[in-house]
Amino acid sequence: RKEVEQDPGPFNVPEGATVAFNCTYSNSASQSFFWYRQDCRKEPKLLMSVYSSGNEDGRFTAQLNRASQYISLLIRDSKLSDSATYLCVVSPQAGGGADGLTFGKGTHLIIQP
Amino acid sequence: DAGVTQSPTHLIKTRGQQVTLRCSPISGHKSVSWYQQVLGQGPQFIFQYYEKEERGRGNFPDRFSARQFPNYSSELNVNALLLGDSALYLCASSLDVGPGELFFGEGSRLTVL
Repeated sequence: RKEVEQDPGPFNVPEGATVAFNCTYSNSASQSFFWYRQDCRKEPKLLMSVYSSGNEDGRFTAQLNRASQYISLLIRDSKLSDSATYLCVVSPQAGGGADGLTFGKGTHLIIQP
Repeated sequence: DAGVTQSPTHLIKTRGQQVTLRCSPISGHKSVSWYQQVLGQGPQFIFQYYEKEERGRGNFPDRFSARQFPNYSSELNVNALLLGDSALYLCASSLDVGPGELFFGEGSRLTVL
C-alpha cells in the first residue's frame, strides 16, 4: 500500500461547480497534513494546512479524518484559475525530526468554461 | 524579496556522468530540503539539511549526496547518472526543521541520455 494515495483524475468540472478530492494515508502516526497546489511545469505551493477540527480558507475547505486516515479538500464555486494538480501531503512528525514530507501523486483538476 | 533560487534550470547529461545542482534558500531560512519529482509523480524526499547538518535522508542510493554551506545555500550531487535519474529536482527552504510550510524553487530539470 502506498503511503499517500490520491485519485489522479483528471477531474473535469464546469466553472462554478463544487468539487471534492480525497486522499488516504497509511501511516497512522502521521501528525501534519497539507494540501499543496502545483501548476503545470511549476513548483508546488502550499494551499492550506489541514487541522483535525477542519479548516476553511475562502472557497477551500479541508477536513481530516484520523480514524479513517483520509484527508479531503472541497473547492466551492470553482474558477478557471483553480485548474492545477492538487498534492496531498503528510508528515510523520508534528514538530522536529526531518523525515521529509510524503507527497501523493496529485489529483489533476481541469475547470472548464 | 527573493524566493528560493535554483541553478541550473535545465541540463542534459549522459549516463555515468555526475551533476551538481545548487540552491539558495529564502533569506532567514535555515533549512533546505531536496525533492525529486519524476513526471506524473509527486515529489519524493531526498535530503533535509539544517544548520549545515544532514537532518533527514529519504530512500535514495548513495550516489546522491548533498551539503549545506555556512550561508545556508545547498548543493545536491548525483554521481554515476542513470536514465532513471531524469526528473525535476526541487529545492525547498523553511525556517526550521519542523514540518511547516516548504517554499519551493522552480527546480532544476535534469535529462539523462
